[in-house]
Amino acid sequence: QVQLVQSAAEVKKPGASVKVSCKASGYIFSNYGISWVRQAPGQGLEWMGWISTNNGNTIYAQKFQDRVTMTTDTSTYTAYMELRSLRSDDTAVYYCARSIVVVPEYWGQGTLVTVS
Amino acid sequence: DIQMTQSPSSLSASVGDRVTITCRASQTISSYLNWYRQKPGKAPNLLIRATSTLRSGVPSRFSGSGSGTDFTLTISSLEPEDVATYYCQQSYSPPYTFGQGTNLEMK
Repeated sequence: QVQLVQSAAEVKKPGASVKVSCKASGYIFSNYGISWVRQAPGQGLEWMGWISTNNGNTIYAQKFQDRVTMTTDTSTYTAYMELRSLRSDDTAVYYCARSIVVVPEYWGQGTLVTVS
Repeated sequence: DIQMTQSPSSLSASVGDRVTITCRASQTISSYLNWYRQKPGKAPNLLIRATSTLRSGVPSRFSGSGSGTDFTLTISSLEPEDVATYYCQQSYSPPYTFGQGTNLEMK
């Protein structure tokens, strides 16, 4: 069955970076893109970006363009999202999701990143 | 960016009720509209994509309609497990923005 397992929760200082991993299983990794979505405590969903696992092409939300890098490792079926220059308002649960084209379909369990 | 506005922001309904949630886009998005259900403490779950395509395994009581800027999610007969927050999302033009959510509670 399709599974996406994300890395454990992180606590970071303001100004630091965080790299969240998302390990996929149960399907051919390069056949589907990966989307990243975050959710601040008690708030709604915020789309961050998408990466093609086929050729590494990315689409980033303008809001994160200067601070985010999404990558994949096709040999280990793992996607990564790195966010730099962290601020307190980056505190959120970060989700990866296997995507049909760009539509998030199967979601990981989420990774809580606390900036404090 | 395309703004997505859901209404209502919250609603309360009884088991068996017909429930409708609407989503309006700030500009036309053709049929590139998706719906998600998020239960407390869980990741979102895709229900419907491209306005009306029900994801495999999603109960048939869920349906979607609309085009252009106005869209609707309908639950034909509310079940207790439908207590959740529902989000719409446009996948027409990046950033692929979400609505603010509709919190559905049981009476």
